[in-house]
Parts: sequence; structure tokens; C-alpha cells
Amino acid sequence: SYELTQPPSLSVSPGQTARITCSGDALPKKYAFWYQQKSGQAPVLVISEDNKRPSGIPERFSGSSSGTKATLTISGAQVEDEADYYCYSTDSSGNVWVFGGGTKLTVL
Amino acid sequence: EVQLVQSGAEVRKPGESLTISCKTSGYWFSSYWIAWVRQRPGKGPEWMGIIYPGDSDSRYSPSFQGHVTISVDKSISSTFLQWSSLQVSDTAMYFCATGVAANRGSFDYWGQGTLVTVSS
Repeated sequence: SYELTQPPSLSVSPGQTARITCSGDALPKKYAFWYQQKSGQAPVLVISEDNKRPSGIPERFSGSSSGTKATLTISGAQVEDEADYYCYSTDSSGNVWVFGGGTKLTVL
Repeated sequence: EVQLVQSGAEVRKPGESLTISCKTSGYWFSSYWIAWVRQRPGKGPEWMGIIYPGDSDSRYSPSFQGHVTISVDKSISSTFLQWSSLQVSDTAMYFCATGVAANRGSFDYWGQGTLVTVSS
């Protein structure tokens, strides 16, 4: 079965840049999406199609993808950005979608 | 305003059946694919499957195929997730999610989640 691999945790100080990676064999040909989930809440889409920022998402959130790795960048992370972040994409067939294992971002 | 309102928490015993629901409003129900996502306690989300209400075309993750059924009722703009025989391992929060491009990865709208507890 297809897997997306993320680092389990990342810690940065407020104002620093956080970069969260996601590796998957199909990423060279498939888009990556990024979801933010705060404790007890439903996920929120923060990046779509590798690098598109939905309406209402702060400009400090950006995305990129190269080869088998996609990256979510939070430039100048804020305390309120502390959350779990999940990448989401599909396998080469396009029929089965998976979430990455998630990265717990700590900002303190 | 698009809203997805899910049914309330459920407690069942192993082997029992269950159907949970997700009622939508604020958009043309038949036009957006709608997915179900499982999240076990302390774990990440898992894509279970997706359905297109316009013609009930559905796709399932291999991990869930045959264990759950996703359906819709267009007359009440709702989607359902059904189990015929629950297992303890089905204990989780379940979310419905949709959006213009839900079948292409973008879930713009989510339900609040339904907690299912399966215990003897």
C-alpha cells in the first residue's frame, strides 16, 4: 500500500521558519495537500496542489514540491501555528488517497 | 454557508451494526464528492472512501473495502457510513469532508466528527 512519510515532530521558536517534509514515490506526478489539525478540531486545508494557499490562510504558509518530496514552509511561525500537520496525496493510480503520518509542530 | 453536521456519538458492542450520518447544506449536494475519514485516538487521519452523490459512484480505500459502506440520500442532502459488524478496532472519530475538488485532494469543508466507541 502507498505511504507518505513525515518526520514525527519539529520544534521551532516563535519567528523562526518551520519546514515540514513529506516523502512519497508518486509525488513527482501527483499533487501534495497539507492539512493543519489542532487538538480536538477537524483538519483545515492550508495548502492545495503543492503550493496554492486557500482563502483565509496566512501568507506565512507556503508549499513546494520537488521529486519525491513535498515541503510545507511556515515563515515566521507563530504560537498559534502549533498543531499537527498532515500531507495528503494519492498513489500512482489516482484512486487511493492517503494521509502522511503527521508532524507535530511545537512553537515555543 | 456550507455546513456539514454529523450525527452524535455512538457506543456499540462488537458485532453490532451502526450507521452514522452527515447532513450537508449551503451548496448543491449532488455536485461535490464527499469523503469519510477515520481518526483513531492519538493517530493521524485515514481516507476511507469517497462518493459522488450525483450518481452514487463510490471508491474505497483497500483498507476499508468490504468492511464499511458509504451511501447517500439526495432527498435529504446526506451521506451515511455503515458497518454491519463492528470491531473494537473501529473505535475512532469519523469525519465527513467535501469541497469543489474533494475527489482531487481538497477538503474545504469538514463535519464536526462523530465519535464511535466499540467495547464489550
